[in-house]
Amino acid sequence: KAGVTQTPRYLIKTRGQQVTLSCSPISGHRSVSWYQQTPGQGLQFLFEYFSETQRNKGNFPGRFSGRQFSNSRSEMNVSTLELGDSALYLCASSFEGADTQYFGPGTRLTVL
Amino acid sequence: DQQVKQNSPSLSVQEGRISILNCDYTNSMFDYFLWYKKYPAEGPTFLISISSIKDKNEDGRFTVFLNKSAKHLSLHIVPSQPGDSAVYFCAARVTAAGSYQLTFGKGTKLSVIP
Repeated sequence: KAGVTQTPRYLIKTRGQQVTLSCSPISGHRSVSWYQQTPGQGLQFLFEYFSETQRNKGNFPGRFSGRQFSNSRSEMNVSTLELGDSALYLCASSFEGADTQYFGPGTRLTVL
Repeated sequence: DQQVKQNSPSLSVQEGRISILNCDYTNSMFDYFLWYKKYPAEGPTFLISISSIKDKNEDGRFTVFLNKSAKHLSLHIVPSQPGDSAVYFCAARVTAAGSYQLTFGKGTKLSVIP
């Protein structure tokens, strides 16, 4: 079974731009979560989607948004990029009723 | 306010010996705990988990112990191998919340010396 895939793997943007990251969960998984990893803050929860609905949201500004499509694929968007948004963005998927999340390889975003 | 803490940023262990990685938590609502292993430029890989109704779970060389009264868990790796060198993250979840949100510690970098 294919794992969680994320595209693109690397991205360079400048301040003020916006960016969209994509995640395809493991087949059959309908829950998709997004996390931000930075050296100072570690892994922090951004939001979770299930059946195209946002089920939970972390403590991030409104510039961070996401959505999920009917095939469970998910996208996250960051608008008006700031230098501090430079991070590894990780997507994870879960099978509803199971206890474990499986992570993709991440998208490394650099904001200049 | 860090709800999950891994107080040792790094740990070095000789090959063949036991590695013990520790994790403390403050939120008594957490009832499911996971350990992930992460190599640079890769996503975390699930290792082992434990529910709060248990105090021990084993999977091959990996054993996780949970002490609920102390709000402490530990991951034991026996015997340690050079391929185990990675950053290990402890994570916790409130299953009753109906969400898969995980709260992570900041990680412990394990180096296994041949």
